[in-house]
Amino acid sequence: AQTVTQSQPEMSVQEAETVTLSCTYDTSESDYYLFWYKQPPSRQMILVIRQEAYKQQNATENRFSVNFQKAAKSFSLKISDSQLGDAAMYFCAYKTGTYKYIFGTGTRLKVLA
Amino acid sequence: ETGVTQTPRHLVMGMTNKKSLKCEQHLGHNAMYWYKQSAKKPLELMFVYNFKEQTENNSVPSRFSPECPNSSHLFLHLHTLQPEDSALYLCASSQAHNEQFFGPGTRLTVL
Repeated sequence: AQTVTQSQPEMSVQEAETVTLSCTYDTSESDYYLFWYKQPPSRQMILVIRQEAYKQQNATENRFSVNFQKAAKSFSLKISDSQLGDAAMYFCAYKTGTYKYIFGTGTRLKVLA
Repeated sequence: ETGVTQTPRHLVMGMTNKKSLKCEQHLGHNAMYWYKQSAKKPLELMFVYNFKEQTENNSVPSRFSPECPNSSHLFLHLHTLQPEDSALYLCASSQAHNEQFFGPGTRLTVL
């Protein structure tokens, strides 16, 4: 069975600094999608970034980028120039088939002013 | 209304009550999902509907009964729940291989 592991329950970063959130997953499939979602204290989950497994190039969205290591089954999220609004729970998710998503337990990110 | 909406936002019910959660998506997506979110646990996928047809049922107890009358609306009917069913229930929608869009959730408390 596929699993997603986020080994850091909580992380802190100073405002304007860079932080990396870790995610590893276990699968025997070769074609899949990976996502990072952000859930601010208001609770509405929003997409941060996505990565297709067949693409070797790491995805980037403004200050957010991923380090996708397919062989190592690792998918970390780097947040550059951290802002107070980045404080949230971050969930890593793996998508298999058309509709089955598997989420990790989340990492709570605190941004210190 | 835009995106994915859920009502009610908060619900308190006794173990003998019957209530329903409602989800509506305004994005033209074909798939809709129910998740249960409990503290320190991964999101638990409960049900998936694709074009009104149920495609996933992750061994959810029968006290949770989903209904999908069309591809824009999804309900979760609740009856004889247990205190351990207290959680945040999230609805989401998606289109094919694209990402999911989530609603704000319903915070359910079972007394």
